[in-house]
Amino acid sequence: DAGITQSPRHKVTETGTPVTLRCHQTENHRYMYWYRQDPGHGLRLIHYSYGVKDTDKGEVSDGYSVSRSKTEDFLLTLESATSSQTSVYFCAISEWGMGNTIYFGEGSWLTVV
Amino acid sequence: GDSVTQMEGPVTLSEEAFLTINCTYTATGYPSLFWYVQYPGEGLQLLLKATKADDKGSNKGFEATYRKETTSFHLEKGSVQVSDSAVYFCALSEEGAQKLVFGQGTRLTINP
Repeated sequence: DAGITQSPRHKVTETGTPVTLRCHQTENHRYMYWYRQDPGHGLRLIHYSYGVKDTDKGEVSDGYSVSRSKTEDFLLTLESATSSQTSVYFCAISEWGMGNTIYFGEGSWLTVV
Repeated sequence: GDSVTQMEGPVTLSEEAFLTINCTYTATGYPSLFWYVQYPGEGLQLLLKATKADDKGSNKGFEATYRKETTSFHLEKGSVQVSDSAVYFCALSEEGAQKLVFGQGTRLTINP
């Protein structure tokens, strides 16, 4: 299994509060991604990173920000959580970019009440 | 933009039945194509992939052939097992692009 650890694995939070999800990798891969998984939508890309301090938006980036201060850590922040952000969040890593194999973490279940 | 369309689920089969999950795609260039599998409570795992037209990806008895003329990458298995019960995702990535585009997923249940 790829060395990807997501934390927390489960969280319940209230509307309007900030939330940070952490992804930690031990593979020294260059690319890191955050996806959300929702019924009927498959997985949708939120943000990705192609190096330390280098990030870009995905297709559903509104309401989310990311940071990558070290190769091994990629943080996803919901500045002010809303019920529409209740979802399962997956971190993923890849060495050469999306044309090559991408490895997924086990997911973080977030419920916003 | 790029998109992936999978057959709607859920799909329910008996053990040892033949499986086909249809996947078609829309892309502007020459994408790589993937099938991922997600077992309950877990993340996604790469099942197989193909990087150019007419390539066949295979793994664990599953196969899919990259058909450029029909823009398809259908997943097949000759004899399914209960342990194959999972959600299957078809996905593509454009050459040189930085994002993987997923279909909506197909839930497969195999009954003994």
